Amino acid sequence: GENVEQHPSTLSVQEGDSAVIKCTYSDSASNYFPWYKQELGKRPQLIIDIRSNVGEKKDQRIAVTLNKTAKHFSLHITETQPEDSAVYFCAASGNSNYQLIWGAGTKLIIKP
Amino acid sequence: DTAVSQTPKYLVTQMGNDKSIKCEQNLGHDTMYWYKQDSKKFLKIMFSYNNKELIINETVPNRFSPKSPDKAHLNLHINSLELGDSAVYFCASSQGRVNTQYFGPGTRLTVL
Repeated sequence: GENVEQHPSTLSVQEGDSAVIKCTYSDSASNYFPWYKQELGKRPQLIIDIRSNVGEKKDQRIAVTLNKTAKHFSLHITETQPEDSAVYFCAASGNSNYQLIWGAGTKLIIKP
Repeated sequence: DTAVSQTPKYLVTQMGNDKSIKCEQNLGHDTMYWYKQDSKKFLKIMFSYNNKELIINETVPNRFSPKSPDKAHLNLHINSLELGDSAVYFCASSQGRVNTQYFGPGTRLTVL
């Protein structure tokens, strides 16, 4: 069935360094790829998304890249700060029922 | 001006009881969802309603029954609660099926 794999499950980076989280998807018909951030005890919130007609999108320190041929997309966070510590989820639109298929999440730890 | 609200925030109950969680959105969205997030943080879609009609009904026990009285509300009723039902349940809404989902604050259900 449709599947989204997310790596790594945990990522620890020094404050100020960059962090990259990668996701691969199985459904070639997927055309919407959001990233959500969930801080401890809070709700998931959208931080950036991309549709299949573009290859890259930036919003200040965060960016998402999409490679449709390889069926993978990545979240890039530059100049990481303590408030970036959270669990990040990727998702991809599924063909059946048009639902989102979610990755398992990446716990990002920013070391001071 | 809360966009997606859920009640109650916390729910502690005994095995075998029946309980309900309510969700309301004031964003004018036509699609609403219920997710279960267990201790490993994985977000599992349970149900989705589009214009009050059930469009996603994942493999969940039939003890779980969603009800959508109108487009702004999606409630979740759980019969005969079991220990494994303990989790955080999130309601979410979106305009259309493949678009940004806005999550409620979550309901932490603990079954003793």
